[in-house]
Amino acid sequence: DTGVSQNPRHKITKRGQNVTFRCDPISEHNRLYWYRQTLGQGPEFLTYFQNEAQLEKSRLLSDRFSAERPKGSFSTLEIQRTEQGDSAMYLCASRPGLAVNTGELFFGEGSRLTVL
Amino acid sequence: EDKVVQSPLSLVVHEGDTVTLNCSYEVTNFRSLLWYKQEKKAPTFLFMLTSSGIEKKSGRLSSILDKKELFSILNITATQTGDSAVYLCAVEGSIKGSNYKLTFGKGTLLTVNP
Repeated sequence: DTGVSQNPRHKITKRGQNVTFRCDPISEHNRLYWYRQTLGQGPEFLTYFQNEAQLEKSRLLSDRFSAERPKGSFSTLEIQRTEQGDSAMYLCASRPGLAVNTGELFFGEGSRLTVL
Repeated sequence: EDKVVQSPLSLVVHEGDTVTLNCSYEVTNFRSLLWYKQEKKAPTFLFMLTSSGIEKKSGRLSSILDKKELFSILNITATQTGDSAVYLCAVEGSIKGSNYKLTFGKGTLLTVNP
């Protein structure tokens, strides 16, 4: 499978617990994005990596959210002390470097979080 | 803060109708505008537009960009029930030099009835 892979696909947790999502981008893609999407809304930008460097993080993002991409390959998104308002679909997407930029952002199937 | 506004937010048509979806934007250092189709899963890419006035076409779908007026339209002719989806518009802007961020609109929910 050469697509963007995300896991877990679904996560149900109790308020206050920590959760971690993993994203494996397409192997030669050095740019990786995390988005959050709730019902009836478009994807909301969370953060962006170029290789292992986190170059941008949404100002709307709480300090409870942190993301890493330690070796420039897979990425993790951790949410600490989850709240019910964190319930959403978390989408990961990747794209190749600027030299081969076709514009297309390749999305994974998403990780759906439900906080009870 | 970059902004993308899509209209209408929802639209119901009959098979065979032609629809026009609108996207207006404000973005720092515009680089490109992208259209995506989202059914009950991850968005799938339709078009990328970078230059004004050049129509991109794929089958019954076409799109054009106006960089002076800061908007784009997506046309779908002879709609089919399989076109029912949320259509997302995203703009890519440059931040801090070479960093590029995509900002999405809320989408237009298109329902095509038989």
